[in-house]
Amino acid sequence: DAGVTQSPTHLIKTRGQHVTLRCSPISGHKSVSWYQQVLGQGPQFIFQYYEKEERGRGNFPDRFSARQFPNYSSELNVNALLLGDSALYLCASSHRNYGYTFGSGTRLTVV
Amino acid sequence: GESVGLHLPTLSVQEGDNSIINCAYSNSASDYFIWYKQESGKGPQFIIDIRSNMDKRQGQRVTVLLNKTVKHLSLQIAATQPGDSAVYFCAENTDTGNQFYFGTGTSLTVIP
Repeated sequence: DAGVTQSPTHLIKTRGQHVTLRCSPISGHKSVSWYQQVLGQGPQFIFQYYEKEERGRGNFPDRFSARQFPNYSSELNVNALLLGDSALYLCASSHRNYGYTFGSGTRLTVV
Repeated sequence: GESVGLHLPTLSVQEGDNSIINCAYSNSASDYFIWYKQESGKGPQFIIDIRSNMDKRQGQRVTVLLNKTVKHLSLQIAATQPGDSAVYFCAENTDTGNQFYFGTGTSLTVIP
């Protein structure tokens, strides 16, 4: 069985640009969550989607947005990139809050 | 706000010894906990979980202990191996919550 897949694996963007990160959950998982992990810290919650609806949002600015598609895959969008947005972006899928499984992440570097 | 912290940021153990990684949490309403292992350049890997109606849960070479009275969680790794070298995170949630709260992590180094 495929785990959680994220794309791209690495990305370099310039300040002010926009970025879209993608996530495909484990088959059968209807919940997708996004986390940001800055180097040396634990992951910080950004969004949770369940059945295509936003169920939770962390303390991130409105430049961050996300959506979930009918096949339960998800996109995370970040506008007007700042240097401080450089991080590992993690997607986790779950059956509600159980079986919480992370993908390998997308390493975003903003220059 | 939520607070999940670890007592020791780094831990070094000899290969074959047992490792104990500790975690304190502040939300008494938290009732579901997960330990993750994260190797360099990879996403967190699920190790073991425990619900608040349990005090102990065992997996393969790992044991998680939960002390709700003092809001403390520990991960014990038996016969630690070089492949166990990684950063370990505890994460907490409520059964109906929509997010997990992670601590800073403990870096475990296994000395051959």
